[in-house]
Amino acid sequence: EAQVTQNPRYLITVTGKKLTVTCSQNMNHEYMSWYRQDPGLGLRQIYYSMNVEVTDKGDVPEGYKVSRKEKRNFPLILESPSPNQTSLYFCASSLNPRGLRTEAFFGQGTRLTVV
Amino acid sequence: AQTVTQSQPEMSVQEAETVTLSCTYDTSENNYYLFWYKQPPSRQMILVIRQEAYKQQNATENRFSVNFQKAAKSFSLKISDSQLGDTAMYFCAFMRPNFGNEKLTFGTGTRLTIIP
Repeated sequence: EAQVTQNPRYLITVTGKKLTVTCSQNMNHEYMSWYRQDPGLGLRQIYYSMNVEVTDKGDVPEGYKVSRKEKRNFPLILESPSPNQTSLYFCASSLNPRGLRTEAFFGQGTRLTVV
Repeated sequence: AQTVTQSQPEMSVQEAETVTLSCTYDTSENNYYLFWYKQPPSRQMILVIRQEAYKQQNATENRFSVNFQKAAKSFSLKISDSQLGDTAMYFCAFMRPNFGNEKLTFGTGTRLTIIP
């Protein structure tokens, strides 16, 4: 089954404790992206990756890091989480950034609470 | 920069009725994609329908259809014969395809409740 898998689904952590949210896709997609969803703001892009070892900032990258060492994996790293990073996070992937027909597949979401 | 506006934070409708969710966007691009995503209580983001800007024909997927007005930059979603399972948050999204970032720009969402 084609899917994007995020882990964990829920996470409560304390300010300053480094954490990683994993994202893996089994569709051989080149393009992957992270979004955060906040009430009244919709979803906003954090980082994206066009392919292995190619990453770049989205609209709200402050406080986050990513890596793309393998095509299937695109982890989101919070080196020193703060309460304003409490949010619902989504990983998404799509087939080919150069394709005319493109559809984003989303993971199940990770609810992060930083206290 | 592109913006997407959903002016109806919440809507409710009786089961089996028809409901229309509004979306407007702002862009200077001529080639782009528009989407409606559904987010039920499970939080999963589910693609409902998509529209390519170069296509004049409005997209349809079973009970879901859109009214795409390119000149007015409007992209509304019509749900016919609404069902309880349609209760969800609905997001309108815009994407400008290019050779780099295929970023989705989302509206703030409309929470739709179907009343039994």
